[in-house]
Amino acid sequence: SQQGEEDPQALSIQEGENATMNCSYKTSINNLQWYRQNSGRGLVHLILIRSNEREKHSGRLRVTLDTSKKSSSLLITASRAADTASYFCATAMYYGNNRLAFGKGNQVVVIP
Amino acid sequence: DAGVTQSPTHLIKTRGQQVTLRCSPKSGHDTVSWYQQALGQGPQFIFQYYEEEERQRGNFPDRFSGHQFPNYSSELNVNALLLGDSALYLCASSGPGEVGWGNEQFFGPGTRLTVL
Repeated sequence: SQQGEEDPQALSIQEGENATMNCSYKTSINNLQWYRQNSGRGLVHLILIRSNEREKHSGRLRVTLDTSKKSSSLLITASRAADTASYFCATAMYYGNNRLAFGKGNQVVVIP
Repeated sequence: DAGVTQSPTHLIKTRGQQVTLRCSPKSGHDTVSWYQQALGQGPQFIFQYYEEEERQRGNFPDRFSGHQFPNYSSELNVNALLLGDSALYLCASSGPGEVGWGNEQFFGPGTRLTVL
């Protein structure tokens, strides 16, 4: 079964705007990760946030994690056309175990 | 560094046939995981190999089997192919050593399998 459920499923924004995606999960986790996928090819790791962390930044990316609500958000600031992709959240349930459970993904289209 | 490589890129098979997919992990990585991604869905964990052993397995039938070689490369075998096995098969590598709080996984470009 799907561990993560992203919301919204599809997002279309203008270049320069911010894009926010949400992810919810059902069980306790060790960490949550966000990945990007272009055109149905390989996934690229964006950011990992541990269960004892609440917020993390990497360049134009900001991830938050609320373990009490079992949810996470990914914010992409000042979006670019190159950010057009599918974005997946994935959870690892146990410490020392990197088996990932992925959500269905968000399709983001950035219009130049 | 070549990153994670997979072969072949595309494959077309008919129902009942068998297929072997190959993966070479990123240099220095010792753990290989395989995922199946159906169209429009997120990847689903198939199994993971470490030290040439299947360390953990997802909810996939025994028709899916694998192997890891001493050089850490890996194969995914699927027997008695079904139409529903059509998907993008992704290999991910990580390591070396302990996972701890979690580590980044590096994905290959995938093998697109079509079963007719």
